[in-house]
Amino acid sequence: EPEVTQTPSHQVTQMGQEVILRCVPISNHLYFYWYRQILGQKVEFLVSFYNNEISEKSEIFDDQFSVERPDGSNFTLKIRSTKLEDSAMYFCASSPDLTGELFFGEGSRLTVL
Amino acid sequence: SQQGEEDPQALSIQEGENATMNCSYKTSINNLQWYRQNSGRGLVHLILIRSNEREKHSGRLRVTLDTSKKSSSLLITASRAADTASYFCATVTGGGAQKLVFGQGTRLTINP
Repeated sequence: EPEVTQTPSHQVTQMGQEVILRCVPISNHLYFYWYRQILGQKVEFLVSFYNNEISEKSEIFDDQFSVERPDGSNFTLKIRSTKLEDSAMYFCASSPDLTGELFFGEGSRLTVL
Repeated sequence: SQQGEEDPQALSIQEGENATMNCSYKTSINNLQWYRQNSGRGLVHLILIRSNEREKHSGRLRVTLDTSKKSSSLLITASRAADTASYFCATVTGGGAQKLVFGQGTRLTINP
């Protein structure tokens, strides 16, 4: 069964460093998302991406964050200068359309020291 | 105000019993979805119910939606130890993106 894959599964970084989280969405899906979950808290929407541009973003998704779909298969989330409060599980998701479920990856755990 | 609040926060039952989790929300929705998350793992979609539907079934899952009360419930019948997980409701309020607004979740423990 097709699935969303994410790498790395866990990344530890120093505050101020750049981090890139990678995702391979399901191949025929058109809509791509990043969500995050700080330990013990709700899953929060970060950004949605369609037709090679951001379609919606949350207040969390500030200038330190960017997304890219560089080659038609990978979908990346970049955090330019990480802060301690960026420590969280980051989930990539994709969907074929706007009417149904989202398919989530297993997540990338980011720890900022 | 919070969109998508689950109740209870934690539920512990014996295997074979039914588990009921509730979700309340504040604004009008396009659809409401239930997801499951095993500890440290990704979110798995369980069921989606649209705003014009009142009840849906999928295997041992039954979801109801009451838009007048802005609430939904998820019933898992004949629970199994493997059902132990956190369960989240997520609302979609329309617009362009499938922007899910998640609740805090219910931590369900099934005791063998």
